[in-house]
Amino acid sequence: KNQVEQSPQSLIILEGKNCTLQCNYTVSPFSNLRWYKQDTGRGPVSLTIMTFSENTKSNGRYTATLDADTKQSSLHITASQLSDSASYICVVSDRGSTLGRLYFGRGTQLTVWP
Amino acid sequence: EADIYQTPRYLVIGTGKKITLECSQTMGHDKMYWYQQDPGMELHLIHYSYGVNSTEKGDLSSESTVSRIRTEHFPLTLESARPSHTSQYLCASSPGQGESNQPQHFGDGTRLSIL
Repeated sequence: KNQVEQSPQSLIILEGKNCTLQCNYTVSPFSNLRWYKQDTGRGPVSLTIMTFSENTKSNGRYTATLDADTKQSSLHITASQLSDSASYICVVSDRGSTLGRLYFGRGTQLTVWP
Repeated sequence: EADIYQTPRYLVIGTGKKITLECSQTMGHDKMYWYQQDPGMELHLIHYSYGVNSTEKGDLSSESTVSRIRTEHFPLTLESARPSHTSQYLCASSPGQGESNQPQHFGDGTRLSIL
């Protein structure tokens, strides 16, 4: 069964600290893995997309890694800011259909305290 | 800034009413999607469209219907709302070419409450 599991479910850190969010997936065949940020009451916004051949990609203070062999990804946030408080969603796309079926994780709820 | 717009943002309405949730995008994207999201849960695809006059049901069964008469417009309709339809509805779009490595662009959603 194709699944995307994220951990932790929620996380509280102090402003300025770093953190790492985890994503494990069983989706096959694999096309790409995406990380989205969803602020409360807003739609998800894309942070990174990685294909099979990419094992790291950065977007400002966000760095995503991908290990396609172990089917694991992480999102590292450096020097956190209050505005980083949001849900971070891992999404995996397969190659099994024209649509490129997307499998969504439930997200990690990050809270950054001052 | 959003290039995909959803209205209304919030809607509280009584059981049995007909509802239409609007979604428009200005990016010229061929593919559009409707997702349903409950608090703390993953997004579930309920409808999608490859282009004008193309609509398909998604993975999650839904009593709603959609239409795609114009590229930029993808409204969702509930003929008779019920409390079980209470949820957040998110609209998204993506380019038709090379879509597999392109992100979906999401609207800010409509939070629907059926009394």
